[in-house]
Amino acid sequence: DTAVSQTPKYLVTQMGNDKSIKCEQNLGHDTMYWYKQDSKKFLKIMFSYNNKELIINETVPNRFSPKSPDKAHLNLHINSLELGDSAVYFCASRNLVRGYGYTFGSGTRLTVV
Amino acid sequence: AQSVTQLDSQVPVFEEAPVELRCNYSSSVSVYLFWYVQYPNQGLQLLLKYLSGSTLVKGINGFEAEFNKSQTSFHLRKPSVHISDTAEYFCAVETSGSRLTFGEGTQLTVNP
Repeated sequence: DTAVSQTPKYLVTQMGNDKSIKCEQNLGHDTMYWYKQDSKKFLKIMFSYNNKELIINETVPNRFSPKSPDKAHLNLHINSLELGDSAVYFCASRNLVRGYGYTFGSGTRLTVV
Repeated sequence: AQSVTQLDSQVPVFEEAPVELRCNYSSSVSVYLFWYVQYPNQGLQLLLKYLSGSTLVKGINGFEAEFNKSQTSFHLRKPSVHISDTAEYFCAVETSGSRLTFGEGTQLTVNP
């Protein structure tokens, strides 16, 4: 009964390819996030959706596009992958109530070669 | 804007020793504070959080943290660590209600 599940767990792909990462949560939360964790473990927020509406859209290349078909799913599509996109991408969910912590997925390790 | 500073990037300790991981925050408004732990090749797991009330907060796995408003700190402590506590620890702050801002992490390594 995984609460926040991401697929795939590992993704190795060549530069220039297009790839997607999927995220699903079964907690009934109304808000979902994508974070990027770089090689130094720094966590940077990318996007957030609340009830399918985009509420956070940080400065990321427009090659990254989130899609939320419903409030239980948030997918991340990346076009024209570059070497610098190599990182671990985490999905998280919460209810948008102050003090409500995140529940994280286990991450997708993306390696661009 | 709020920010979080974790004062130590790496903390090596011996098993059964006490440990303190330091976190300072900056914010002009009231904050909610969190500590998360990340074991190797896993996602982040909530250890504890401070919302209001008692400044000493107890979490899972024997960890606790103390909120100090005058020093804008939220240090994490454990009186006796185990090998299994080896992990990356993240302090985080919430002010606006829509997101958490994370510190840069502290790698705790417990040696036998």
